[in-house]
Amino acid sequence: NAGVTQTPKFQVLKTGQSMTLQCAQDMNHEYMSWYRQDPGMGLRLIHYSVGAGITDQGEVPNGYNVSRSTTEDFPLRLLSAAPSQTSVYFCASSYRTTGPSSYNEQFFGPGTRLTVL
Amino acid sequence: KNQVEQSPQSLIILEGKNCTLQCNYTVSPFSNLRWYKQDTGRGPVSLTIMTFSENTKSNGRYTATLDADTKQSSLHITASQLSDSASYICVVSPRGGGSYIPTFGRGTSLIVHP
Repeated sequence: NAGVTQTPKFQVLKTGQSMTLQCAQDMNHEYMSWYRQDPGMGLRLIHYSVGAGITDQGEVPNGYNVSRSTTEDFPLRLLSAAPSQTSVYFCASSYRTTGPSSYNEQFFGPGTRLTVL
Repeated sequence: KNQVEQSPQSLIILEGKNCTLQCNYTVSPFSNLRWYKQDTGRGPVSLTIMTFSENTKSNGRYTATLDADTKQSSLHITASQLSDSASYICVVSPRGGGSYIPTFGRGTSLIVHP
């Protein structure tokens, strides 16, 4: 299994440009999420999905769109890039464990480093 | 507002020594607490996860403890190795209310010197 893959690894954009960060997983996990990681801050949830066709906003959704047409893919779209979106973006997939104390077992991708000039 | 505070912010130790990292949280109601290891330039990797009914969990040389009453957790690393140099992140997830949003700490940066 490749696990969670993200492309590209690095990207430089100009303000106002749009682009899509790709994320794919081959573990048949129901849940997928996008996070951003900024220096001196904890990871913050942007959007998440609990299954194909279902998405919801996280903590910092403004400026980002997502869709989940298949279980495997969860792309993140920047509609009009801004310097404030310079960050490292992580995609994660997870499955729900069973039992009385269930939780989401989560696996992260390697990240995409985005710079917006 | 849910918060997760980690200390120290950074730590330097010699190879072979033990260390303990701290995590305090205000997330309520509480579902679970995880510790992640993040190597430079990579995504976080799960070390341990504890639910509200657990107070200790081990993964090799890593042992996490949880005191749900005081809302504190610690991660103890025994006999440190150079490969332990990384950022260690505490993450707390809420329970119920339809919320799926975990709260991440800022991490403790650990450097292990030979």
